Amino acid sequence: GAVVSQHPSRVICKSGTSVKIECRSLDFQATTMFWYRQFPKQSLMLMATSNEGSKATYEQGVEKDKFLINHASLTLSTLTVTSAHPEDSSFYICSARNPGRDGYTFGSGTRLTVV
Amino acid sequence: GQQVMQIPQYQHVQEGEDFTTYCNSSTTLSNIQWYKQRPGGHPVFLIQLVKSGEVKKQKRLTFQFGEAKKNSSLHITATQTTDVGTYFCAGPGYKTTDSWGKLQFGAGTQVVVTP
Repeated sequence: GAVVSQHPSRVICKSGTSVKIECRSLDFQATTMFWYRQFPKQSLMLMATSNEGSKATYEQGVEKDKFLINHASLTLSTLTVTSAHPEDSSFYICSARNPGRDGYTFGSGTRLTVV
Repeated sequence: GQQVMQIPQYQHVQEGEDFTTYCNSSTTLSNIQWYKQRPGGHPVFLIQLVKSGEVKKQKRLTFQFGEAKKNSSLHITATQTTDVGTYFCAGPGYKTTDSWGKLQFGAGTQVVVTP
């Protein structure tokens, strides 16, 4: 139980295009999901908190218009990287907590490469 | 805000040896969680500690929460090649209404095991 499915696992896109990343909780409802960014050999940096049915809460320094988050249902949150540039290349990971369990479950991550 | 510091950043271990990674917070934590991220993978929840002075064991892994709830440690005995990865501490997840809040991750300890 407590599975979070994240797609795509890898994506390569051209500079200036947008990329959508999906995160689904498969066997539980997640009113809140979290989006992280991780650079090689570094820790996870929280980008934003996605709240079902309301606006996401962004961490300081994260551009809201660039990283669009939508949490339209209790099992799906999406992160759209708009007008991507090479510096947006990174590993993006979502997570959610199953209320019936300890800890947070992470998606498998999306490795974004902008060329 | 809360800062979670983790040392060492890197740990090279001979197979069969023991090692410890430490986590310190500038503030008292309601709980602390530990995660493991294998190379190329995503973080996987290991354990949560809640009580002052709590000690929990998972096979060769021993987790400890300090008396003041400001520090924690992970001790691995008889290291195996399967222990390779980065170990993160994180705290806390605070409960607000029906959802749990964001995690503050430590920098992580990257463990390399030499056969």
